[in-house]
Amino acid sequence: AQKVTQAQTEISVVEKEDVTLDCVYETRDTTYYLFWYKQPPSGELVFLIRRNSFDEQNEISGRYSWNFQKSTSSFNFTITASQVVDSAVYFCALSVSIYNFNKFYFGSGTKLNVKP
Amino acid sequence: ETGVTQTPRHLVMGMTNKKSLKCEQHLGHNAMYWYKQSAKKPLELMFVYNFKEQTENNSVPSRFSPECPNSSHLFLHLHTLQPEDSALYLCASSQEPTGGSTEAFFGQGTRLTVV
Repeated sequence: AQKVTQAQTEISVVEKEDVTLDCVYETRDTTYYLFWYKQPPSGELVFLIRRNSFDEQNEISGRYSWNFQKSTSSFNFTITASQVVDSAVYFCALSVSIYNFNKFYFGSGTKLNVKP
Repeated sequence: ETGVTQTPRHLVMGMTNKKSLKCEQHLGHNAMYWYKQSAKKPLELMFVYNFKEQTENNSVPSRFSPECPNSSHLFLHLHTLQPEDSALYLCASSQEPTGGSTEAFFGQGTRLTVV
């Protein structure tokens, strides 16, 4: 069975603080992909990053960084020097290939509030 | 023009009404999805269409009826809904099959309220 857990329902920080959003996944598949999406108040989910199960290299993109650890089945997301515009709901997702389409399993999301 | 467009953005309907949600993608993708997002719950996959064929129906009640006339358009027909069906309905598209590697692109959703 596939499952994604985001234990943090809501986090509040003050601007310029660093914040880490946790994601833990479960799967028996050996090939899978992990994603992070951002959902601003406008509603659409915006793709942030994709990682495949064979690539544990951490990634940094500007103020964003991701830490993928297969040993702990975690794919955590850190925002450095947070800004008010980072306020949104962030979803972690696991994707596996089933027949001829991607099946995504989403966590329940973490709402991030960044206060000025 | 955004990649995935959903209309209407907001919809209020009575339990006896019939309405339809529309999704259009301009990305040349061949797979389209309907998701339901309820408060404090994970996104729930409802339907998947791949090359216009329905490949997944995730135990969705029959009061929700999808239609995919071509690979660019997806509809969700609604009738005799219940108040608990109130949610944000998100449409997504992706290019398949790719072994699970491609991201899905989402629309802004339709906020549905059933009264």
